[in-house]
Amino acid sequence: DQQVKQNSPSLSVQEGRISILNCDYTNSMFDYFLWYKKYPAEGPTFLISISSIKDKNEDGRFTVFLNKSAKHLSLHIVPSQPGDSAVYFCAASSMASGTYKYIFGTGTRLKVLA
Amino acid sequence: GAVVSQHPSRVICKSGTSVKIECRSLDFQATTMFWYRQFPKQSLMLMATSNEGSKATYEQGVEKDKFLINHASLTLSTLTVTSAHPEDSSFYICSASSGKDPYTQYFGPGTRLTVL
Repeated sequence: DQQVKQNSPSLSVQEGRISILNCDYTNSMFDYFLWYKKYPAEGPTFLISISSIKDKNEDGRFTVFLNKSAKHLSLHIVPSQPGDSAVYFCAASSMASGTYKYIFGTGTRLKVLA
Repeated sequence: GAVVSQHPSRVICKSGTSVKIECRSLDFQATTMFWYRQFPKQSLMLMATSNEGSKATYEQGVEKDKFLINHASLTLSTLTVTSAHPEDSSFYICSASSGKDPYTQYFGPGTRLTVL
């Protein structure tokens, strides 16, 4: 039972354009979400987070949107750069559980074309 | 800041031997450390959560006697794969979080284990 889903395994975007990565979750108890970026043979790097009390969080070129009713979040990268090419994971947690555990999606491989 | 290291980055061992992987937080005190396993083209699967000075909490289906976790200090956790078998071959990644920000995990670079 995949509680966090990233239905697009890959995405290609032209440099300078917007990249939109999507993530859906099924557990309504999830209330804190993270996006990570991962290069091959390396550990994930934290990008941005969002709590369920917000519907948007912005950090430079990265913006995360949360739609609680649809149980959907998305990561927008504007403008996309070739260095953004990596695998992006969304992760969800329940703050109420107090365990700080995350469930990760399967990742979306982003390729930014120069 | 928030750097996590893992050692070794790559290890090849014979079936039946034990392998120890170290995870260190270099510039912060890691109240909690997590161990994940990643199969090719799959998500990170949480294996266990460890808090400094206490026993690790294992996820369902993870054998605690096979994957021994020790979190002896606020900067070091170790994962020992005992009596390794070829099916244990995988990419093992640790992460660490501090008491100040328990919801942000900082990941190590991972360890590629190959069991022959």
